[in-house]
Amino acid sequence: EPEVTQTPSHQVTQMGQEVILRCVPISNHLYFYWYRQILGQKVEFLVSFYNNEISEKSEIFDDQFSVERPDGSNFTLKIRSTKLEDSAMYFCASSGDRGRDGYTFGSGTRLTVV
Amino acid sequence: AQSVTQPDIHITVSEGASLELRCNYSYGATPYLFWYVQSPGQGLQLLLKYFSGDTLVQGIKGFEAEFKRSQSSFNLRKPSVHWSDAAEYFCAVSNSGGYQKVTFGTGTKLQVIP
Repeated sequence: EPEVTQTPSHQVTQMGQEVILRCVPISNHLYFYWYRQILGQKVEFLVSFYNNEISEKSEIFDDQFSVERPDGSNFTLKIRSTKLEDSAMYFCASSGDRGRDGYTFGSGTRLTVV
Repeated sequence: AQSVTQPDIHITVSEGASLELRCNYSYGATPYLFWYVQSPGQGLQLLLKYFSGDTLVQGIKGFEAEFKRSQSSFNLRKPSVHWSDAAEYFCAVSNSGGYQKVTFGTGTKLQVIP
């Protein structure tokens, strides 16, 4: 079964540093998403991406965040200057039909900001 | 704005017993509804989804859910729980247009005792 692959599985970074979280969505999917889950809390929508542009973003997704699809396979989330409160599990997801069939989620990247 | 309520934070059931996890949603039109399961340290796996048609939907791992519009509910059920079902379960709602941002509930953690 096709998978969404995320790397790394765990990243530790110092406050103020830039991090890039990487995702390889399912190859024939067209819609891409980032979600995050702070420990013990619910999964929160960050951003959706389609046709090489952001289609929707939440209030969490401020100027410190950016997304990119640098080539035909990768989908990245960049945090420019990490804060302690950015520590969370970040999930990438993709869908083939605007999410109608439900997303396929990756296994997540646990980001720890120290 | 769409929202999801999962009133039970933690549920404990005996192996072999039946299970029902509650979910109530708020959305103006007909929503798309999902149940996801998350094992510790893992990503989110789609159990089942509802868009339209038959209000009783079957999913993977022997789970089913029933959409009740009058109660704005989408409860998840399983007739006989296995120890491997211990995980956290998330109900989610998506709008039926746009780019399908999914809003998750806070989750219900299921413990299965022998």
